[in-house]
Amino acid sequence: EDKVVQSPLSLVVHEGDTVTLNCSYEVTNFRSLLWYKQEKKAPTFLFMLTSSGIEKKSGRLSSILDKKELFSILNITATQTGDSAIYLCAVPHGIQGAQKLVFGQGTRLTINP
Amino acid sequence: SAVISQKPSRDICQRGTSLTIQCQVDSQVTMMFWYRQQPGQSLTLIATANQGSEATYESGFVIDKFPISRPNLTFSTLTVSNLSPEDSSIYLCSARTDRDTGELFFGEGSRLTVL
Repeated sequence: EDKVVQSPLSLVVHEGDTVTLNCSYEVTNFRSLLWYKQEKKAPTFLFMLTSSGIEKKSGRLSSILDKKELFSILNITATQTGDSAIYLCAVPHGIQGAQKLVFGQGTRLTINP
Repeated sequence: SAVISQKPSRDICQRGTSLTIQCQVDSQVTMMFWYRQQPGQSLTLIATANQGSEATYESGFVIDKFPISRPNLTFSTLTVSNLSPEDSSIYLCSARTDRDTGELFFGEGSRLTVL
């Protein structure tokens, strides 16, 4: 059964700290791994990773994939209170042309001022 | 990309009634999905909404409880029937514009509370 496991489930840090969120996966026919940020209701897309070792970067956020060890990390540097959210990792699964996303449990990140 | 509008954004319903959630996408999309997010939980796929035919349901979800329509490429509805307090959740519509890429866009979600 395809599954995605995130850690930690909850993390509280101070503004300015750097955090690393982890996502491990087991899925047949791996295609990509996605990171989302969920602040209120709708998850918003952050990154899609398909190749090992190539870092994706957007401002203070960056992510990298290790297809050999089956995990990804999401780094946030110089955290701000606006980074407080649930961060979700997801992997598509299913036959080609009918792919659905399997989500991890999410990491609830709280940034204290 | 795609912009997805959902309504209602929230509702409070009585036990035994039904609620229909509408999802409108601003462009034609290949795939539409409905997810549920129970309090404190991650997202769980309910079903894939298929245009012009019956939805494809995931294990644990049935058409009688969660009837879904998708009359065209940009619109879908999810009905949650015979409501009970356990149905209190956020229901999210999502869509993908490319059949082969993984990126999924989400609507703002509909927060349902059942009394």
